[in-house]
Amino acid sequence: EVQLVESGGGLIQPGGSLRLSCATSGFTVSGTYMSWVRQAPGKGLEWVSVIYSGGSTYYADSVKGRFTISRNNSKNTLYLQMNSLRAEDTAVYYCARGGRTLSWFDPWGQGTLVTVSS
Amino acid sequence: QSALTQPASVSGSPGQSITISCTGTSSDVGAYNYVSWYQQHPGKAPKIIIYDVSDRPSGVSNRFSGSKSGNTASLTISGLQAEDEADYYCSSYTSITYVFGTGTKVTVL
Repeated sequence: EVQLVESGGGLIQPGGSLRLSCATSGFTVSGTYMSWVRQAPGKGLEWVSVIYSGGSTYYADSVKGRFTISRNNSKNTLYLQMNSLRAEDTAVYYCARGGRTLSWFDPWGQGTLVTVSS
Repeated sequence: QSALTQPASVSGSPGQSITISCTGTSSDVGAYNYVSWYQQHPGKAPKIIIYDVSDRPSGVSNRFSGSKSGNTASLTISGLQAEDEADYYCSSYTSITYVFGTGTKVTVL
């Protein structure tokens, strides 16, 4: 069974750093593309970052230069290093596995809440 | 990276059909047949219901169907049921990155 479990969220002050983890099972993270998607409280989904099977990484303009996506193939785990956090980064962060084509994400983890506040 | 445009809300009575539009540009929706749709119930993670514009993953009801014309994709829910009340999001591949729609709240009257 394919499973994704996020962890690492919490309350952090503006300007701080946090690393999110997405532990996976049932597939190989390096064999597909993986993404982080976030959802601010009461708001819609916002794509954050993707790492392709070849290792290329890309980011939304809103987080470029502050967030870094990576993976540990031996641990089958996806990460999101978040630096210089701002209040507007407050959201539930989901990790999601890429589908058989470039079109879709499935499944998604349960999400981890990041709150940036003083 | 502007969000795709969806109507904020759509409603219908049980048994009716509703359609949700998703308007992008020639750089995203219009450029690729890589449009997907997600259903999200309150407090839950999104669930894929349509991929590659019109394909359904196994286990998803055939009451959900997708299409695309130019820069606009559409999701149709036929035979509306109470369990379809949820938020729906479209998404498009945009050449190495992705973009989601603004989201549509579907209410079953």
